[in-house]
Amino acid sequence: AQSVTQPDIHITVSEGASLELRCNYSYGATPYLFWYVQSPGQGLQLLLKYFSGDTLVQGIKGFEAEFKRSQSSFNLRKPSVHWSDAAEYFCAVGAPGTASKLTFGTGTRLQVTL
Amino acid sequence: DTGVSQDPRHKITKRGQNVTFRCDPISEHNRLYWYRQTLGQGPEFLTYFQNEAQLEKSRLLSDRFSAERPKGSFSTLEIQRTEQGDSAMYLCASSRGDGPTDTQYFGPGTRLTVL
Repeated sequence: AQSVTQPDIHITVSEGASLELRCNYSYGATPYLFWYVQSPGQGLQLLLKYFSGDTLVQGIKGFEAEFKRSQSSFNLRKPSVHWSDAAEYFCAVGAPGTASKLTFGTGTRLQVTL
Repeated sequence: DTGVSQDPRHKITKRGQNVTFRCDPISEHNRLYWYRQTLGQGPEFLTYFQNEAQLEKSRLLSDRFSAERPKGSFSTLEIQRTEQGDSAMYLCASSRGDGPTDTQYFGPGTRLTVL
């Protein structure tokens, strides 16, 4: 069964600092990988996705993620965080070729200090 | 593209009552998904539809839960005889269903509180 681990429950960074959110997955092959962001009262918004090809993926709002097969990781990064980035971030995996259910991690809550 | 909409946004009910939620997917999206999210957790898959056919159901979906998508457009999720453990955010998502790289877009959710 596929699973996702987000080791950091809560992260605090200063505005302007760089950010890296960790995501590790367990799956028999290379899954489809996603990062979503959830702000209070808002639905999940897709930041970026990886299906195949280039392992460095660019997303919206200046985010990027790198797929590392050897580490079973798909970490999310941003070079300079803005106060509006404060939210909950979820990593998710999907079984390739089926595009049906997603399995989510437990999320990382990002707090940004001014 | 108006996004996925869900109604109501909040529902408070007493234990034992039945509740029904509605989800309107993005226009022309063939697939529709339901997830449940409890406090401090990520969303958990409940079920999904391809047009009007319900193709997969999670073991989380007990007999008290039923989902329909009668005309392949909007969907309803009904919970009968609600229990306090049903308190959660119920999320709906839709996708085009046009291939293996399909992407799910989520609605704002319905927050259910069972007293």
